[in-house]
This record gives sequence, structure tokens and C-alpha cells, in this order.
Amino acid sequence: QKEVEQNSGPLSVPEGAIASLNCTYSDRGSQSFFWYRQYSGKSPELIMFIYSNGDKEDGRFTAQLNKASQYVSLLIRDSQPSDSATYLCAVKGYSGAGSYQLTFGKGTKLSVIP
Amino acid sequence: NAGVTQTPKFQVLKTGQSMTLQCAQDMNHNSMYWYRQDPGMGLRLIYYSASEGTTDKGEVPNGYNVSRLNKREFSLRLESAAPSQTSVYFCAQAEGGDQPQHFGDGTRLSIL
Repeated sequence: QKEVEQNSGPLSVPEGAIASLNCTYSDRGSQSFFWYRQYSGKSPELIMFIYSNGDKEDGRFTAQLNKASQYVSLLIRDSQPSDSATYLCAVKGYSGAGSYQLTFGKGTKLSVIP
Repeated sequence: NAGVTQTPKFQVLKTGQSMTLQCAQDMNHNSMYWYRQDPGMGLRLIYYSASEGTTDKGEVPNGYNVSRLNKREFSLRLESAAPSQTSVYFCAQAEGGDQPQHFGDGTRLSIL
């Protein structure tokens, strides 16, 4: 059973601070890693993906991957109240016969305090 | 909605009724997926279709059937609805199996 673990939170940070969201995964063969943002009552929205060890930056977001430690994180710089949402970590691994499956964590709820 | 249209948006059923949830994508992509999302359980894969004409079970397929009618449409059917199937159902599409998935707006289904 492939598992993806996230701290459920809530994680509260003041406006303008850096929010750090963490995720660990069990399947060492996992190949790609995704962060989704989900506002209450809405669908998940892709915000970042990373395939290789190291950092990947996109605007205020940085994804960090360490395959040796089976750890992926998302940093949000200059956090805004509009960043308040649940952040889902998703890990994709090969499931055989040319197919890939995403395994999701249960999400971390982030609250940015004005 | 990332090129994914789900219908209906809301539905209430009685136990034992049947229903089909519809999903259509306008991106001409190969892979389509059905998930359910329950409080405290996260998103769980029900069925997926890697390409037109193929379907495979995910983590929680019991009580569901799917049809990949063509490249554009992937439907999810509940033959005899049970209260345990009360959930929010999301359809997703991806260009290929190893590409990011993009989700529709979801169907909120309640079974009494």
C-alpha cells in the first residue's frame, strides 16, 4: 500500500511570512510529485510539480524534493490571506501495464492571518 | 475547470437507486480518472482509463462501473447506490499517464 503522509494542520502563519508544507511518501520508486491547492468546496488546482531532486521555483512557490529521504515540501513566500486553503501532496508511481497512479495525502490546511 | 466538465453538480439519491455521473474533456488527452473525496480520507482513485478503450480499477472500485465511451467521455455508474457512497466525486484528465492531472469541478452526491 503506497502511502503519502502530511501534517493535517491547521498551519497558521502571519501575512508576509513563509509557509512551509511537508510531505513524506513510502514508495521509493515514485517518479513525480505534485502539489495541489484546494479551496473549501472547490476542486483541487495544480500549483507545482517536480520530477528531480532539488528545488523548483515558480513565483512565490518553491517545491523541494529529496528522493533519498522520500520527502517533498512546498514553500510559500510572502504568504497572503488568499493562500489560505488545503494543500494536497500527490505522488505518482508506476502501477504496471503502462499505467501510472497518483496517491494523495490527506492535505494540510493553511491559514494565513492578516 | 481545466477542460473537464462534470454533470450533474449536485444529486440526491435514495438507497438502491442507480445513477451515472458524466465527465467530458475537451483537451483531446488520453488519460482520465475518477476520484472520490471524503472528509479525513483524502482523494481516492476509483477507476481510471489510460487511453480510449481501456479501463482499470483503482483503490476503491467496489460498487462502481465505468465506461470510456470515446476519447472525450468517461462515465461513472452506481448500479445500486448505498449511503457509504455519499461523497464528492471528481473527474480528472491528463495528457498522458505521467503528466499532471487536472480536475473538474466535482459532483456532490448524497445517498439517503
